[in-house]
Amino acid sequence: EAQVTQNPRYLITVTGKKLTVTCSQNMNHEYMSWYRQDPGLGLRQIYYSMNVEVTDKGDVPEGYKVSRKEKRNFPLILESPSPNQTSLYFCASTRDRRNTEAFFGQGTRLTVV
Amino acid sequence: QKEVEQNSGPLSVPEGAIASLNCTYSDRGSQSFFWYRQYSGKSPELIMSIYSNGDKEDGRFTAQLNKASQYVSLLIRDSQPSDSATYLCAVRSYNTDKLIFGTGTRLQVFP
Repeated sequence: EAQVTQNPRYLITVTGKKLTVTCSQNMNHEYMSWYRQDPGLGLRQIYYSMNVEVTDKGDVPEGYKVSRKEKRNFPLILESPSPNQTSLYFCASTRDRRNTEAFFGQGTRLTVV
Repeated sequence: QKEVEQNSGPLSVPEGAIASLNCTYSDRGSQSFFWYRQYSGKSPELIMSIYSNGDKEDGRFTAQLNKASQYVSLLIRDSQPSDSATYLCAVRSYNTDKLIFGTGTRLQVFP
C-alpha cells in the first residue's frame, strides 16, 4: 500500500529538549515537504526536498532542520523546541515537483510546554 | 492579498443539496489546482485535481477552473453528512513549484 508514515502521532515535550519527527514514503517520490497547520493560518510549508541531499527552506523554517540522506526518509528536527512550535505537523510527498498531487502522512500533534 | 483565498465558513447545507466551495488565487502563472478534504484532526486527502479551464467531474464532485478570473471552485452534489469536513484549495505555481494552500472552508451538511 502506497503511504507516507509519520512518527510519533502525538508528542508532548518540554522547551529546549531536542526532538525528531520521522517521515517515510514507499512510493519512490522525489519531492517531500514538511508543513505545520495552525488554526486560521492553514498549512504552511516549513522545508522541502527535491531529491536526496537537496533541501530548501519553505515559508516558516525558523527553529527547524531537515535532512534527506535517503530518498524515502525526510526527518524533521527541532533542536530546541519552544512553545510557539506547538502545532499539527504533516509530512507530504509528491512524485515530482510539477503537476502532481501531494500525499500526506497521518500528522504529528506536537505540544511544547 | 493572500496567495490562495477561501471563505472560512462554515458553509451549512441540507442533506441532498449542492455545496459550492470557492477559491481565488493571485499567481497568474499557476498551472495545477487541487481540492483536498480534511476531517478534524486528520490528514488532507486529495479529492480532485484540475489543470485546464472548464469543468472536471468525478462522481458527485465537479471542479471548475477559470484561469482568466483566477478562480477555482468545487461543487458537491447530493451532499451527505459524511461530506462535513474542511475543504482545502491548493495551487501549484509554475514558476516556483510551491504548493500553496488556502486556509480552508468548513462545510457542514445537516440531515
